[in-house]
Amino acid sequence: GAVVSQHPSRVICKSGTSVKIECRSLDFQATTMFWYRQFPKQSLMLMATSNEGSKATYEQGVEKDKFLINHASLTLSTLTVTSAHPEDSSFYICSADGQHNSGNTIYFGEGSWLTVV
Amino acid sequence: GNSVTQMEGPVTLSEEAFLTINCTYTATGYPSLFWYVQYPGEGLQLLLKATKADDKGSNKGFEATYRKETTSFHLEKGSVQVSDSAVYFCALKSGGYNKLIFGAGTRLAVHP
Repeated sequence: GAVVSQHPSRVICKSGTSVKIECRSLDFQATTMFWYRQFPKQSLMLMATSNEGSKATYEQGVEKDKFLINHASLTLSTLTVTSAHPEDSSFYICSADGQHNSGNTIYFGEGSWLTVV
Repeated sequence: GNSVTQMEGPVTLSEEAFLTINCTYTATGYPSLFWYVQYPGEGLQLLLKATKADDKGSNKGFEATYRKETTSFHLEKGSVQVSDSAVYFCALKSGGYNKLIFGAGTRLAVHP
């Protein structure tokens, strides 16, 4: 079964509004979570690294004021797309780094499709 | 910097054909190497991995061998099925940080 859960799996929002995506690690504590963005037929681009209890580290070119990341607990990280625009429409996927009973590895969520209209 | 290069797709095969998807990497130190698979409309799933030179990762009939001398981690399967149709991503992780660097992905389409 899934060890990392993302919610919502699909969301449609109006331009100018904000939308929050949650990433939860199930049955294990994730000290670090990663947020990726994937455009159609392209690879995953790392947006930011989220460490529990501290500020996220953003990759070059990613607007930290637009993509707010919060990692308030060892099992939950959230990505908030603020003042969304149609060009923010994409597939967002998180991964969590932790010690699960399957071993220490990186687990991916199912991804979240964001459509901004 | 670290990078991963994959063969461009799409790769189109008939069922039971042999599959090879090439992957080469550039990295400092001794990276761990991964293959992930993404089925239509889904997130990524770890397919296999190798953590040191000459290791062979295998799963579901897929195999890949960590070749340090050629900096490669090619994915192979002896007989593909229609259900293997997906996008395959090669990735590396270097250092103590679990930050993955992905290749561009290779789309595989298997026809009956």
